[in-house]
Amino acid sequence: GQQLNQSPQSMFIQEGEDVSMNCTSSSIFNTWLWYKQDPGEGPVLLIALYKAGELTSNGRLTAQFGITRKDSFLNISASIPSDVGIYFCAAYSSASKIIFGSGTRLSIRP
Amino acid sequence: DAGVIQSPRHEVTEMGQEVTLRCKPISGHNSLFWYRQTMMRGLELLIYFNNNVPIDDSGMPEDRFSAKMPNASFSTLKIQPSEPRDSAVYFCASSLRGQGARNQPQHFGDGTRLSIL
Repeated sequence: GQQLNQSPQSMFIQEGEDVSMNCTSSSIFNTWLWYKQDPGEGPVLLIALYKAGELTSNGRLTAQFGITRKDSFLNISASIPSDVGIYFCAAYSSASKIIFGSGTRLSIRP
Repeated sequence: DAGVIQSPRHEVTEMGQEVTLRCKPISGHNSLFWYRQTMMRGLELLIYFNNNVPIDDSGMPEDRFSAKMPNASFSTLKIQPSEPRDSAVYFCASSLRGQGARNQPQHFGDGTRLSIL
């Protein structure tokens, strides 16, 4: 079935570093979403992308809908401690079914 | 504005007991989703409703699980009888879906953490 491969699985960052994560698939999607989940809470929508090639920003976050419609990336610039959490990509197929990536766990390097 | 509201936030019960999880979607949203999240399997879609009608329940693990949406502002997910392997965080999400409209993002509640002993 359709699957999203999200990487990296986890990463440690120093405050102030830029962060990059991505999701890839062998299937084509027509909507990509990025969510962040904090401990004990539900995923919160960060960015929604609806068109191949679309580049959208939300503060220090920037996400792009890959031109092949099979991938998306999320960048965080100048990371701060509250960026710590789990980031999920999600995508809708043409049949309007949503699937989620397995998540990227972002931690602060001690 | 109130988001998706789930109750209870935590539930601990013994195996064999009936468990009922509740969800109130965002007012005006017409699609409702139930998910299960575990470390091993991540976020899994169990079932979703459009306009209170179940559309796809292929993710429901087995007959012990059932979901209802009696009206636009309330849904339940029931497990009977419960088993230890049902322990997980269960999320409800809602979205607005229109005819021919782009796929609208889902908005999640804070989940119910279920522990079956």
